[in-house]
Amino acid sequence: AQSVTQLGSHVSVSEGALVLLRCNYSSSVPPYLFWYVQYPNQGLQLLLKYTSAATLVKGINGFEAEFKKSETSFHLTKPSAHMSDAAEYFCAVSTPGTALIFGKGTTLSVSS
Amino acid sequence: DARVTQTPRHKVTEMGQEVTMRCQPILGHNTVFWYRQTMMQGLELLAYFRNRAPLDDSGMPKDRFSAEMPDATLATLKIQPSEPRDSAVYFCASQGGPETQYFGPGTRLLVL
Repeated sequence: AQSVTQLGSHVSVSEGALVLLRCNYSSSVPPYLFWYVQYPNQGLQLLLKYTSAATLVKGINGFEAEFKKSETSFHLTKPSAHMSDAAEYFCAVSTPGTALIFGKGTTLSVSS
Repeated sequence: DARVTQTPRHKVTEMGQEVTMRCQPILGHNTVFWYRQTMMQGLELLAYFRNRAPLDDSGMPKDRFSAEMPDATLATLKIQPSEPRDSAVYFCASQGGPETQYFGPGTRLLVL
């Protein structure tokens, strides 16, 4: 069985500051890991994914995440926050052929 | 630009009425998922299909919910009879390979 824990339901940063959204996973087999972003009243958009290739994964909008097996983590980072990054972010885990298991989500607020 | 489409985008109905939500997956994608999103429960998997066959519907209340894929270009989710606790956003997602799901914009359902 797999599970995902997102630490912090709400993160607030200033524009230009580092963004760090935390995600820890549990999986009995090598996982696929994903970050999705959801803007208000919209569907989920894929930011980036890890599928057992490079452990540092770069995604859209300047985001990246690092898969750390020893820490069972897949934290999402962005060096400099922009106002347009304000949204809800979901970490998810799956294995080949299975559905996604989502975390509870982290709402990112960006202040000027 | 291939996208998952969902109709209707919004639905307001009265308790006891039948609700039908439709999803058109990305052409060529053979796996379709239905998720429900609420403030309390977050994103929950309801059911999913591969090559039109149901693989898992354990997340769906069987007495009132049903999901089908009449053909490869249409997935439906029905609620009969609807209840206020069914108020949520229902997302469809499609997947063409082993990894990435692409989400539709969702159907926002309000049952009065």
